[in-house]
Amino acid sequence: DIQMTQSPSSLSASVGDRITITCRASQSISSYLNWYQQKPGKAPNLLIYAASGLRSGVPSRFSGSGSGTDFTLTISSLQPEDFATYFCQQSYSSPRTFGQGTKVEIK
Amino acid sequence: QVQLQESGPGLVKPSETLSLTCTVSGGSISGYYWSWIRQPPGKGLEWIGSIFYSGTTNYNPSLKSRVIISVDTSKNQFSLRLSSVTAADTAVYYCARQPGGSYGQLDYWGQGTLVTVSS
Repeated sequence: DIQMTQSPSSLSASVGDRITITCRASQSISSYLNWYQQKPGKAPNLLIYAASGLRSGVPSRFSGSGSGTDFTLTISSLQPEDFATYFCQQSYSSPRTFGQGTKVEIK
Repeated sequence: QVQLQESGPGLVKPSETLSLTCTVSGGSISGYYWSWIRQPPGKGLEWIGSIFYSGTTNYNPSLKSRVIISVDTSKNQFSLRLSSVTAADTAVYYCARQPGGSYGQLDYWGQGTLVTVSS
């Protein structure tokens, strides 16, 4: 199985901050990397697909980059509704695997 | 707007079989892959498996011996059966859609249903 490792596991930030979350794959996954946002008691919501593709309707402050084994999710200016947990997922091979999550909290 | 809704018992006894159904509305089940994912309370996400609308399945090897995913295109539904459950199978179970020919992203999810394994 491909292991996905996110860092940090949690972070505290303020409204307006720029934050970056990193996801590393245990082997190359090309650009088969997706990012999801999950709020408490809710299902995950797709933000970014294919490493850098912004899903329709997702604010442009979200962006993704990377290929191979190293990927990043950036929120350019954190908004109150962005405080949530973020997961990466590889879809290069089966079984699909997720990172352990990064919880973004209010400072 | 595509919507997915999980249904099934919220409580299953140890050693019995967990059965869930996902009903798809607002769109056709044809042309897509359909997945089950679970999340133990307070933990991360685990992909259980998927099925193409034509019936081709793909399971997580860690669960493969206990999982069956099936599809009923006439009802726009797909289902999960997980046998010989233990407390470790207690989780919120989600169904989700993956567009065919895509990068494997899961673009629509059900709200999730908590299944507790307990006697």
